[in-house]
Amino acid sequence: DTGVSQDPRHKITKRGQNVTFRCDPISEHNRLYWYRQTLGQGPEFLTYFQNEAQLEKSRLLSDRFSAERPKGSFSTLEIQRTEQGDSAMYLCASSLSPFYNEQFFGPGTRLTVL
Amino acid sequence: AQTVTQSQPEMSVQEAETVTLSCTYDTSESDYYLFWYKQPPSRQMILVIRQEAYKQQNATENRFSVNFQKAAKSFSLKISDSQLGDAAMYFCAYRVTQTSGSRLTFGEGTQLTVNP
Repeated sequence: DTGVSQDPRHKITKRGQNVTFRCDPISEHNRLYWYRQTLGQGPEFLTYFQNEAQLEKSRLLSDRFSAERPKGSFSTLEIQRTEQGDSAMYLCASSLSPFYNEQFFGPGTRLTVL
Repeated sequence: AQTVTQSQPEMSVQEAETVTLSCTYDTSESDYYLFWYKQPPSRQMILVIRQEAYKQQNATENRFSVNFQKAAKSFSLKISDSQLGDAAMYFCAYRVTQTSGSRLTFGEGTQLTVNP
């Protein structure tokens, strides 16, 4: 069990560029979550997958954001036309059904938009 | 909407002493879970302790214990015999009990410093 991994760990981009992050959950976990954490704040929920189905999205997830989880394994989070306000740590977490099981977090991807 | 509030942005404690971190929350739900997560510098978040709202007994995990006051919607974390490795950002989190979703709602965090 290698834990939740995220790639890249850091990303610096220019405003207007597209970026994509990857999350690999713990292998048998069927639930996958994305959160965003800005400096000095707690994480905020973005979206949730159960297997390959995206079941819940936050209002924070504007139309510039899209997330996928093909085949119910790894997930990608894409941000199009990045803005400076997108600068944050993007955290991925995974868990195993049922709902009350612990969410395990990855190390996060720190995005800086110049 | 559920909210979680941590009123102490920073706390400090002497090594081997005890410290209590505060958390309050607001919800209209009767059944939910509460958590304390630890986020060390540049490291991933890990679960410290959890409490099911239907349980009256306060949860304990080794040196970590909680004081859960459901009527007051208060959920504090006590760290006994503080160690240098306890230094981290601590987040209080809430999760409603339901069969789908189960998103976590986090507080703003408390930065804990442990002084040798």
